[in-house]
Amino acid sequence: DTAVSQTPKYLVTQMGNDKSIKCEQNLGHDTMYWYKQDSKKFLKIMFSYNNKELIINETVPNRFSPKSPDKAHLNLHINSLELGDSAVYFCASSLRGAPGEKLFFGSGTQLSVL
Amino acid sequence: AQTVTQSQPEMSVQEAETVTLSCTYDTSESDYYLFWYKQPPSRQMILVIRQEAYKQQNATENRFSVNFQKAAKSFSLKISDSQLGDAAMYFCAYRSAKNNDMRFGAGTRLTVKP
Repeated sequence: DTAVSQTPKYLVTQMGNDKSIKCEQNLGHDTMYWYKQDSKKFLKIMFSYNNKELIINETVPNRFSPKSPDKAHLNLHINSLELGDSAVYFCASSLRGAPGEKLFFGSGTQLSVL
Repeated sequence: AQTVTQSQPEMSVQEAETVTLSCTYDTSESDYYLFWYKQPPSRQMILVIRQEAYKQQNATENRFSVNFQKAAKSFSLKISDSQLGDAAMYFCAYRSAKNNDMRFGAGTRLTVKP
């Protein structure tokens, strides 16, 4: 049983399209994240949700809209995709009251915008 | 905001030898946690080792150990008896005890030569 699962693993799409990436965790965690890993492998936090509430929103274009229907799910919707959005997007989860614990990562979604 | 710096984009080590990966961070907080993650070509994010800032003793996990210098804000990773399977990207990460976000360095690509 996968602890943090993301779908799809690969996403190839045209510029201007709208796409969504889904994430689910079965660890009972209350906090979920989206990270973006660019072509140089730099991992940058995008969003963090705690119990469905947005707590971190880094400088991300408003074409990116996260949605957390419940604390086990955090989806990422991207409007009007651009070439620069091509990257690997990682979902992760943790417990808010346990900062010493690791983040559990999904296997990533490789987004290619053509 | 906290920043994490990994000054070595690439490192190389001979199999069975020892290598040290550098990491420095900038923070005004006194309570935080530090992590090293490994990312092999599979993209999976694997926790290697973690260190609590309030602990003076350096963490050790089998062949992996850290040199934590709190005053210098330095957190290096030593890999002893390097194995071919250690080849990967290595990320240093900082996590505040106050909030949930984990900030990563730019990563070091480690090559292990047979």
